[in-house]
Amino acid sequence: AQSVSQHNHHVILSEAASLELGCNYSYGGTVNLFWYVQYPGQHLQLLLKYFSGDPLVKGIKGFEAEFIKSKFSFNLRKPSVQWSDTAEYFCAVTSTSGTYKYIFGTGTRLKVLA
Amino acid sequence: NAGVTQTPKFQVLKTGQSMTLQCAQDMNHEYMSWYRQDPGMGLRLIHYSVGAGITDQGEVPNGYNVSRSTTEDFPLRLLSAAPSQTSVYFCASSSRNYGYTFGSGTRLTVV
Repeated sequence: AQSVSQHNHHVILSEAASLELGCNYSYGGTVNLFWYVQYPGQHLQLLLKYFSGDPLVKGIKGFEAEFIKSKFSFNLRKPSVQWSDTAEYFCAVTSTSGTYKYIFGTGTRLKVLA
Repeated sequence: NAGVTQTPKFQVLKTGQSMTLQCAQDMNHEYMSWYRQDPGMGLRLIHYSVGAGITDQGEVPNGYNVSRSTTEDFPLRLLSAAPSQTSVYFCASSSRNYGYTFGSGTRLTVV
């Protein structure tokens, strides 16, 4: 079955700490991978995406993610978090062919302490 | 560009009532989807469409119908509302080589 697992449901960090959020997927075939962010009371916004090429992708606001095909992983990282990064983060996967149906993880709620 | 527009933003229904959540996009995207978001469960796919006239079921389709008569519009119909359908509903659209653009959501309460 197709699925996305986000291992950390809640993460609390102090400002300037480094962040890594885990994402593993189970999805047959070649995939596209995404990270979305949802700030409190808002809708989801695209943070970064991987389609092909360099497995290290950079997104907005200093976020990056690394695609490791052998581990079926797409972990999100940021070297130094800010209070404004407090949000919920969702990993998503879809096939590069066929119906282009997205599957989302259950999300990781990040709280950054000032 | 308006992006993805969802209406209404808030709605309260009585059990057994029916209603339609509207979704429209002005980006000429071929892919559109409806998700529901519940605490601790992330986003679950209700129905999706890969183009006008083509729809398919997602993970949790029961109790919902969709149609896609035009590229722009993708309404979601609740046939007979139940308390279990209390949720936040998001519509999203995408072209093939880009991520989803989400609407601002509809917060639905069924009493």
